[in-house]
Amino acid sequence: QKEVEQNSGPLSVPEGAIASLNCTYSDRVSQSFFWYRQYSGKSPELIMSIYSNGDKEDGRFTAQLNKASQYVSLLIRDSQPSDSATYLCAFMDSNYQLIWGAGTKLIIKP
Amino acid sequence: DTAVSQTPKYLVTQMGNDKSIKCEQNLGHDTMYWYKQDSKKFLKIMFSYNNKELIINETVPNRFSPKSPDKAHLNLHINSLELGDSAVYFCASSQAGEYNQPQHFGDGTRLSIL
Repeated sequence: QKEVEQNSGPLSVPEGAIASLNCTYSDRVSQSFFWYRQYSGKSPELIMSIYSNGDKEDGRFTAQLNKASQYVSLLIRDSQPSDSATYLCAFMDSNYQLIWGAGTKLIIKP
Repeated sequence: DTAVSQTPKYLVTQMGNDKSIKCEQNLGHDTMYWYKQDSKKFLKIMFSYNNKELIINETVPNRFSPKSPDKAHLNLHINSLELGDSAVYFCASSQAGEYNQPQHFGDGTRLSIL
């Protein structure tokens, strides 16, 4: 059974701090990993993708991938209230289908 | 210029009715998907279509039937609606067969069964 594990939260972070979101996955052969953000009542939107071990930075967002540990994380620097949302982790399996986590609810407190 | 569009946005109907949700994408993608997101916010894949062929059907009741007239459209028809069908249904598309291609989502259809 292919799975993605995320802490459902809510994760509360003060404004301006670093928010750290974590995800573990079960499929050792997966090559592609994605972080989506979903605001309440809205659709998921892609914010980061990562395919190689290490860090990938895009503005205030950094994705980290460790394939040996089957672990992917998302760091949000200088957190803003507008970052408050549910963050969904997903990996692509060998059939090119996305396997989704249940999401972590992030709350940025002003 | 919406990339993935679904209609209707809201659908309220009674148990036992038959309804359809439409989806269109203008991204030139060759694969489209239907997801169900329940009250616990978990995204569950229902179907995916690649070049008009169904390539996944994840233990979905046969009351649900996807219909794809062309690769830009994937509609979802639901027969004999049940209370448990109440959820948000998302359409998505991607260029499948490539590991670095994410899925792009429509705005969702909020289905409520009375």
